[in-house]
Amino acid sequence: DVKVTQSSRYLVKRTGEKVFLECVQDMDHENMFWYRQDPGLGLRLIYFSYDVKMKEKGDIPEGYSVSREKKERFSLILESASTNQTSMYLCASSKGDRSFEKLFFGSGTQLSVL
Amino acid sequence: GNSVTQMEGPVTLSEEAFLTINCTYTATGYPSLFWYVQYPGEGLQLLLKATKADDKGSNKGFEATYRKETTSFHLEKGSVQVSDSAVYFCALTRTGYSTLTFGKGTMLLVSP
Repeated sequence: DVKVTQSSRYLVKRTGEKVFLECVQDMDHENMFWYRQDPGLGLRLIYFSYDVKMKEKGDIPEGYSVSREKKERFSLILESASTNQTSMYLCASSKGDRSFEKLFFGSGTQLSVL
Repeated sequence: GNSVTQMEGPVTLSEEAFLTINCTYTATGYPSLFWYVQYPGEGLQLLLKATKADDKGSNKGFEATYRKETTSFHLEKGSVQVSDSAVYFCALTRTGYSTLTFGKGTMLLVSP
């Protein structure tokens, strides 16, 4: 069964900490994405990557960075966590051809910044 | 850019009731349209899709028709079950990127 795995289901961090959220997919997908999900706002795209070592900003990249050193792994980094980054973070992947339209999602990481 | 508006929830229904969740879109060109579903504690998964005008997507008893004239893609099901309780997201292809733009989601609660 195809899978997108996020390293933590729940995470609690302190303001100012550097936070790493990890995502791994086993489908050999070219495209990987990070979204955040907030009540009343839906899903908003933070960053995405079409290939190893490349990255593109989404709608809300401020305060975040990403790393894609290997095809299967896409990391989201909060350089200095703030309380307004408390959210559910969803990782997704898709193939690099026209079938990019089908996204496969992980179960999410609920991050609380205190 | 492309955008999606869907009805606010929660939508509360009794089992076997008829379901409609409204979705309208704004887009340039001819986007593909999607419904994704998120069950409690899980990530989103594709429910159905339609790639051109008048196409009907269907899956698990759910249906939606791509209406270009009304820029709509409403989700319907004739008889909902308790197990359909979830959050439903309307989405469309996003201009310039190989990804999707999602609506805000509509929570559906079905009681026995």
